Amino acid sequence: LAKTTQPISMDSYEGQEVNITCSHNNIATNDYITWYQQFPSQGPRFIIQGYKTKVTNEVASLFIPADRKSSTLSLPRVSLSDTAVYYCLVGDMRGNTGKLIFGQGTTLQVKP
Amino acid sequence: NAGVTQTPKFRVLKTGQSMTLLCAQDMNHEYMYWYRQDPGMGLRLIHYSVGEGTTAKGEVPDGYNVSRLKKQNFLLGLESAAPSQTSVYFCASATVMNTEAFFGQGTRLTVV
Repeated sequence: LAKTTQPISMDSYEGQEVNITCSHNNIATNDYITWYQQFPSQGPRFIIQGYKTKVTNEVASLFIPADRKSSTLSLPRVSLSDTAVYYCLVGDMRGNTGKLIFGQGTTLQVKP
Repeated sequence: NAGVTQTPKFRVLKTGQSMTLLCAQDMNHEYMYWYRQDPGMGLRLIHYSVGEGTTAKGEVPDGYNVSRLKKQNFLLGLESAAPSQTSVYFCASATVMNTEAFFGQGTRLTVV
């Protein structure tokens, strides 16, 4: 399974765009990149998933360069309610192993 | 449609006692997972299952056992609880294609 590296913490202010980068140097050909969000005392929640280039949904955008060795989660115009831990996961979409491994995550603190 | 339900939500055990945590999902998912999360830490995979009747070890399986006799249920057992097992336990389920995992609300376990 590809190992991921993220910043431990980040600070931002309301209304700003936040970019969280995840490194996954040994990503495999069949691996997808998935991001989860976790609020205190809750289970993680799926945000976005992608394989290459750019993916956008109503919550965030995911940018993946051509070499796929890193990815960037972009949160537009954050609010206080976006304060949470964000996890980057890399895994095989075919689900051959079934494993779902979380790293330490990035704690985002949004300030007023 | 309840999603993923964990029972119980809170429990206090004495050292050496045993207990079983129940995870139930109503989404017909193949994959199910048990994680533990200690304060300020990320989620660590204890055991997982890729289908009814199957189980596999995760990152931190020692001291825990699991069973998946029915597709919708995944049980986590502690045979002889230790204070080091004080944690919040999360269950999750996902489809075979591993696109999005759904998490339960967590079980807060304290071993004294």
